[in-house]
Amino acid sequence: DTAVSQTPKYLVTQMGNDKSIKCEQNLGHDTMYWYKQDSKKFLKIMFSYNNKELIINETVPNRFSPKSPDKAHLNLHINSLELGDSAVYFCASSRQGALRPQHFGDGTRLSIL
Amino acid sequence: AQTVTQSQPEMSVQEAETVTLSCTYDTSENNYYLFWYKQPPSRQMILVIRQEAYKQQNATENRFSVNFQKAAKSFSLKISDSQLGDTAMYFCAFMKGPQGGSEKLVFGKGTKLTVNP
Repeated sequence: DTAVSQTPKYLVTQMGNDKSIKCEQNLGHDTMYWYKQDSKKFLKIMFSYNNKELIINETVPNRFSPKSPDKAHLNLHINSLELGDSAVYFCASSRQGALRPQHFGDGTRLSIL
Repeated sequence: AQTVTQSQPEMSVQEAETVTLSCTYDTSENNYYLFWYKQPPSRQMILVIRQEAYKQQNATENRFSVNFQKAAKSFSLKISDSQLGDTAMYFCAFMKGPQGGSEKLVFGKGTKLTVNP
């Protein structure tokens, strides 16, 4: 039933580790996004994919690598995790076109020890 | 680059009263869209209301309405008959007109709204 689902919801790990967050949408949308929400609640776009093609890459360190195996999935892999990566990561999806609303997942809270 | 400013970090209102949240934005674009999203303590991001810049008429969704002043680049959200469930962070967001798949949202820093019983 869930439209945009992310796993896991919580991720606690050590500095230096590599981790992945998965995102799947069952809405038939062709565009998917990753946003980062920092400790002050500020939300910023990281990436967007349209039909499996990378469209937006907002000066994110190359330790972050998105992968879109198909239109319904956009995963985020993070190498060599740093303390500053602690945040909530939101996946979203929409149909192409600006007024098509973006539907958000419930977020993944990543905590780096 | 577009920027979105929400000048009220926190607000509170009594249940059943009306509250207005402010948002201003800066852009040189003529074709764009504006949104208000709500984030309750559950962390979900929920679309509240949206407005096309080319439309003069202010958008309304039940108890939620906007006051869109294009010349002043202002997009405030009015919540009427506030309910306890309206307690949340509210984010104003801007999006440029259709970009062929690169329609990113630019968010303000949010306003934390508390509805008191």
